[in-house]
Amino acid sequence: EAGVVQSPRYKIIEKKQPVAFWCNPISGHNTLYWYLQNLGQGPELLIRYENEEAVDDSQLPKDRFSAERLKGVDSTLKIQPAELGDSAVYLCASSFVEGGEQFFGPGTRLTVL
Amino acid sequence: AQSVTQLDSQVPVFEEAPVELRCNYSSSVSVYLFWYVQYPNQGLQLLLKYLSGSTLVESINGFEAEFNKSQTSFHLRKPSVHISDTAEYFCAVSPTGGYQKVTFGTGTKLQVIP
Repeated sequence: EAGVVQSPRYKIIEKKQPVAFWCNPISGHNTLYWYLQNLGQGPELLIRYENEEAVDDSQLPKDRFSAERLKGVDSTLKIQPAELGDSAVYLCASSFVEGGEQFFGPGTRLTVL
Repeated sequence: AQSVTQLDSQVPVFEEAPVELRCNYSSSVSVYLFWYVQYPNQGLQLLLKYLSGSTLVESINGFEAEFNKSQTSFHLRKPSVHISDTAEYFCAVSPTGGYQKVTFGTGTKLQVIP
């Protein structure tokens, strides 16, 4: 069975440009998470979805970040415009049920120049 | 709110030697505790977890961790490490009772030296 798929794996952009990350969770997993991992830090939750509903987006910087999970399957995280401080790894995870074990994708490493 | 402290950012150890990766947490409520492992260029994988019951939990690849409530610790140990154990290890905590946000530590890079 395929794990959590993320693309692209690496992205280099100039500041003020938009960028989007895509995540396809494990089939049947209703809960989807987006995390931000800065260098030398642990993952920090940005947003959590239960099916297509964003149930916790309190840590998502809504002035420049947005996310969607249409149809409750795959999800897209967008940054517009990107800033230098957004350089980090963006991780996606999914779980079968709310509170269940989270399975992580390999992440997207973003570099903003 | 919860917090996790992993004081050792890097731990070098010779192959077949024992290792302990330290984790301390802070919380005003009961917690679940986790250790995740991240191999290079891969996502995090759950290594082991403490939810309730026996305070000593084990993984399938020889790691173990013991929940010590009085010392608010959940140190990870392995009696004999292998080259393949080289990875970054994250300790994490969440409050008990239904879904609660998981808080991760800053990670410890285990470097096994041949």
